[in-house]
Amino acid sequence: DVKVTQSSRYLVKRTGEKVFLECVQDMDHENMFWYRQDPGLGLRLIYFSYDVKMKEKGDIPEGYSVSREKKERFSLILESASTNQTSMYLCATRGSGGYNEQFFGPGTRLTVL
Amino acid sequence: KQEVTQIPAALSVPEGENLVLNCSFTDSAIYNLQWFRQDPGKGLTSLLLIQSSQREQTSGRLNASLDKSSGRSTLYIAASQPGDSATYLCAVRVPPGGGADGLTFGKGTHLIIQP
Repeated sequence: DVKVTQSSRYLVKRTGEKVFLECVQDMDHENMFWYRQDPGLGLRLIYFSYDVKMKEKGDIPEGYSVSREKKERFSLILESASTNQTSMYLCATRGSGGYNEQFFGPGTRLTVL
Repeated sequence: KQEVTQIPAALSVPEGENLVLNCSFTDSAIYNLQWFRQDPGKGLTSLLLIQSSQREQTSGRLNASLDKSSGRSTLYIAASQPGDSATYLCAVRVPPGGGADGLTFGKGTHLIIQP
């Protein structure tokens, strides 16, 4: 079974802090994704990575950056957290090729005060 | 831009009933479609994946169909149980080169199965 873990289930930060959210997968998947989920807006793609050190912007990259130094680990960085970044953050992974499912981690509920 | 709509937004039915959840998408040029369930405060669990060339997929009491030309998919749940209560999400993947390579999600159907 694919296992996707996220560093924290719940996180509370203050406005202006630098925030790191980490995601680790154990299935040697090339593709990793960060989404945020908000009531009424659903899930939206922030960034994705298709290989080590490679990254692509998703639909809402503003205010975020990412890092992928190792294949199994994909980090989402909020350089200066703001209250409108309070959300549920979900990491996902997918193998290469077109016929693979996307698997999600348990999510991190981030609150920015 | 691809848009995914799920109807109804919420559904409450007695235990034992068969039910259908609907998903529609605006651009029929999809690579595949995936159904997920999400329990409150949790991540997403993959239920079924249908490739663009397939018409349906089955897993236990779940059956998902795909009509790509009309931009529709349905998730059929047979003999519903209280444990099926969750939010069900539909998501489509566009072909490579069609934009950001993630999934485009509907907003989900919140399902309650009454004991």
